[in-house]
Amino acid sequence: NAGVTQTPKFQVLKTGQSMTLQCAQDMNHEYMSWYRQDPGMGLRLIHYSVGAGITDQGEVPNGYNVSRSTTEDFPLRLLSAAPSQTSVYFCASSPGHYNEQFFGPGTRLTVL
Amino acid sequence: GESVGLHLPTLSVQEGDNSIINCAYSNSASDYFIWYKQESGKGPQFIIDIRSNMDKRQGQRVTVLLNKTVKHLSLQIAATQPGDSAVYFCAEVPDKLIFGTGTRLQVFP
Repeated sequence: NAGVTQTPKFQVLKTGQSMTLQCAQDMNHEYMSWYRQDPGMGLRLIHYSVGAGITDQGEVPNGYNVSRSTTEDFPLRLLSAAPSQTSVYFCASSPGHYNEQFFGPGTRLTVL
Repeated sequence: GESVGLHLPTLSVQEGDNSIINCAYSNSASDYFIWYKQESGKGPQFIIDIRSNMDKRQGQRVTVLLNKTVKHLSLQIAATQPGDSAVYFCAEVPDKLIFGTGTRLQVFP
């Protein structure tokens, strides 16, 4: 199993640009989530999904969209990038809420 | 509001000593707790979890203690090794995973 994969590893955007961060898992997990981690900080939940076709907002959802058309994929879209979105983004999956979450390697995003 | 905090932002220990990392949580509805380890440039890695119907759980060299009365969680690492150097996060689950800000563990020879 590849586990949780994220692409790209690094990305630089200009203010106002849009892009999609990809996340995929091959463990047939129902629960997937996106976090951002700012320097010296903990992870903050952006959006999560409890299964295909179901998404919900986390702690910091503004400026981000998600969709979950398949169990495997959970892309995160930045609609109009802002410097405040410069961060490291982690995707995670788990069988359910009350299970260990498996994290991807992260995407380091810089918005100029 | 919901919050998970840590008392010690940086903990320095000598190799071979035991380490104790503390965490306070505020949501009394939380019934599942997890400790994660994050090494530089990597995603968080699961260490150990505990459910609210328990007060202690042991793994390999690690023990998690839960005190629901004072909403306190701790991670004990026995015989700390250089490879244990990392940032450690506690996380709670009332309805979704909420992370604390982390404690950096530094192990010196």
